[in-house]
Amino acid sequence: DAGVIQSPRHEVTEMGQEVTLRCKPISGHNSLFWYRQTMMRGLELLIYFNNNVPIDDSGMPEDRFSAKMPNASFSTLKIQPSEPRDSAVYFCASRDTGGGYYGYTFGSGTRLTVV
Amino acid sequence: EDQVTQSPEALRLQEGESSSLNCSYTVSGLRGLFWYRQDPGKGPEFLFTLYSAGEEKEKERLKATLTKKESFLHITAPKPEDSATYLCAVQPYAASSGSARQLTFGSGTQLTVLP
Repeated sequence: DAGVIQSPRHEVTEMGQEVTLRCKPISGHNSLFWYRQTMMRGLELLIYFNNNVPIDDSGMPEDRFSAKMPNASFSTLKIQPSEPRDSAVYFCASRDTGGGYYGYTFGSGTRLTVV
Repeated sequence: EDQVTQSPEALRLQEGESSSLNCSYTVSGLRGLFWYRQDPGKGPEFLFTLYSAGEEKEKERLKATLTKKESFLHITAPKPEDSATYLCAVQPYAASSGSARQLTFGSGTQLTVLP
């Protein structure tokens, strides 16, 4: 099992540019989560999907952020246009909700720097 | 609103010097409390889930305990490789449906174990 795979690991972009972060969850996991981590605010849930359907996007900062999950093995988080305050580490996590409550499995994250 | 407070923010120990990390929480109904370990440049790694007051779980030099208001992560005879940030998270019940909601994380305790 390769775990949750995120790409790219690092992204440096200029303010105003579009940024797309990618995530491949663990096969068989039916929930997927996007988190953002900063020193000031810690880990914040942005959005999560159950069975590829967005359930709660109340954590998405504003309309510049959007997330999709076209199938069970792929999700994207897009920021357009990007701003310096979006600089953070973005984590994707997945979970198998069938039959119980298990810990999330996190990816290694994408460190985004907007200059 | 669900709240998770971890203390201390940072802790430095000598190798072999046992100590405890604290996680205080406020939730309307607790479905589970999670402990994670996060190494620099990596995603959080799942350690334990605790579901009810009085429950304890152990893994190597770590033992997690739970009361109705807080959880402790006890570290016995720590080694330098135990150095990491330890995160606590709560999973509350959704009041309307009684189903579990998503995790709310604390800001973490950065543990440094000196040789």
